[in-house]
Amino acid sequence: DQQVKQNSPSLSVQEGRISILNCDYTNSMFDYFLWYKKYPAEGPTFLISISSIKDKNEDGRFTVFLNKSAKHLSLHIVPSQPGDSAVYFCAARPLNTGGFKTIFGAGTRLFVKA
Amino acid sequence: DVKVTQSSRYLVKRTGEKVFLECVQDMDHENMFWYRQDPGLGLRLIYFSYDVKMKEKGDIPEGYSVSREKKERFSLILESASTNQTSMYLCASSGQLSSGNTIYFGEGSWLTVV
Repeated sequence: DQQVKQNSPSLSVQEGRISILNCDYTNSMFDYFLWYKKYPAEGPTFLISISSIKDKNEDGRFTVFLNKSAKHLSLHIVPSQPGDSAVYFCAARPLNTGGFKTIFGAGTRLFVKA
Repeated sequence: DVKVTQSSRYLVKRTGEKVFLECVQDMDHENMFWYRQDPGLGLRLIYFSYDVKMKEKGDIPEGYSVSREKKERFSLILESASTNQTSMYLCASSGQLSSGNTIYFGEGSWLTVV
């Protein structure tokens, strides 16, 4: 039973528009939520995170929103660029595991068309 | 810049062979991890280590073992490779996760078991 779900395997967006990647979770006992980005033939790289006590965190073109009542997380990329085309993984860190057992979603492949 | 290096990028092994995947990090990180990535399943934790000679099982340890004889090096061992272990394997390292540090990944090792 996946505790972190990314229900959209892929998303296609026009350059310059907003990309919204979604993630749902089923367990309330997470202290951090994270987004990682992965290009083909490379390892994932950390993009942005949010503490469970916040509802928004912004870093340049990237903003993560956390809706705890809905157990929903989203990543907004504005404006989208062709270089943003990659697989995005949502991840959650369970409380009381020291952060070791981060749980990853299945990923969403983003295509940004020029 | 954090560097996590996986010595083998592409391997083809036969069923029943013993397989070693090697990983080295250069940031003096306490923690190291092995994940596997499969389509539709995201990243799943196999084993992690929080100190030299210390190891803990992740979510899918069956069929794998690990070794951490030195702080910078973490090896994944497939005692008797099977076709269902064909996958992309990702090594990672991190500092103290309770401080909000993130996980840094290597580029991955593609293993095919025939």
